Amino acid sequence: GAGVSQTPSNKVTEKGKYVELRCDPISGHTALYWYRQSLGQGPEFLIYFQGTGAADDSGLPNDRFFAVRPEGSVSTLKIQRTERGDSAVYLCASSLNAGPSPQYFGPGTRLTVL
Amino acid sequence: SQQGEEDPQALSIQEGENATMNCSYKTSINNLQWYRQNSGRGLVHLILIRSNEREKHSGRLRVTLDTSKKSSSLLITASRAADTASYFCAWETGANNLFFGTGTRLTVIP
Repeated sequence: GAGVSQTPSNKVTEKGKYVELRCDPISGHTALYWYRQSLGQGPEFLIYFQGTGAADDSGLPNDRFFAVRPEGSVSTLKIQRTERGDSAVYLCASSLNAGPSPQYFGPGTRLTVL
Repeated sequence: SQQGEEDPQALSIQEGENATMNCSYKTSINNLQWYRQNSGRGLVHLILIRSNEREKHSGRLRVTLDTSKKSSSLLITASRAADTASYFCAWETGANNLFFGTGTRLTVIP
C-alpha cells in the first residue's frame, strides 16, 4: 500500500527565500508529525497535528517556521526567510491515532540553503 | 533538552554475530520505540515497548526496558549484511511526539 510521501525529495534555495515542503500521510491516519534531522543526529520534533489542528508546535525553532494541515490530510511545512542553518532533512510521519502507536515515516525532503 | 544517548555510536560486526545497542533517556516515558534508518532517509519502525513491559521480541529482535535506570537495549541476533543501517531509539512522554536518541551506526560485514 501507499506509504507517506514527501515532495520535493530535494530542495536547494538561497538564503532569504521562502520554501514549502509537502507531506502526504497514509490515508486514514489522523496524526501527522514533522521532524528535522541534521547530519549524524537523530530526528528532532517540530510539530504534531491531530486532524486539522496543531496539537503541539513546541518544537518549531522560531516564527519563520509554520505548518498547516487544512483538511486533515496533506500537510505543508513553510519556512520563511531561510537561513543556512535551516539546511537539514525534513521528515514527515503519520500514525493511525495519537498515542502509543508506531509512526510511519516518509523519505524526507533534503533542504539545502546556500 | 530531552535528547538521550545511544551507545555505541558505531558498531562493526561479522555476519552471524549478535549486535547490541543501548539507549538512555532522561524523563518518564509512556513507551519506547526502536527505528532503523538506511542512507540517512526515512525511518522504519521496528518495535514498541510500553513502560510497563520489560522485554519484547520480534523475529531476530529483542528489546529490553529498565525504567528505573531509564535505559533500553536492542539485540539483533544472527546479524545479516542487510541489517547494516543506523538504529535509533525514540521515547514518547505522553505528548504524542517522539524524542530520538543520537543513533548507532551498525555495519555487518559479510
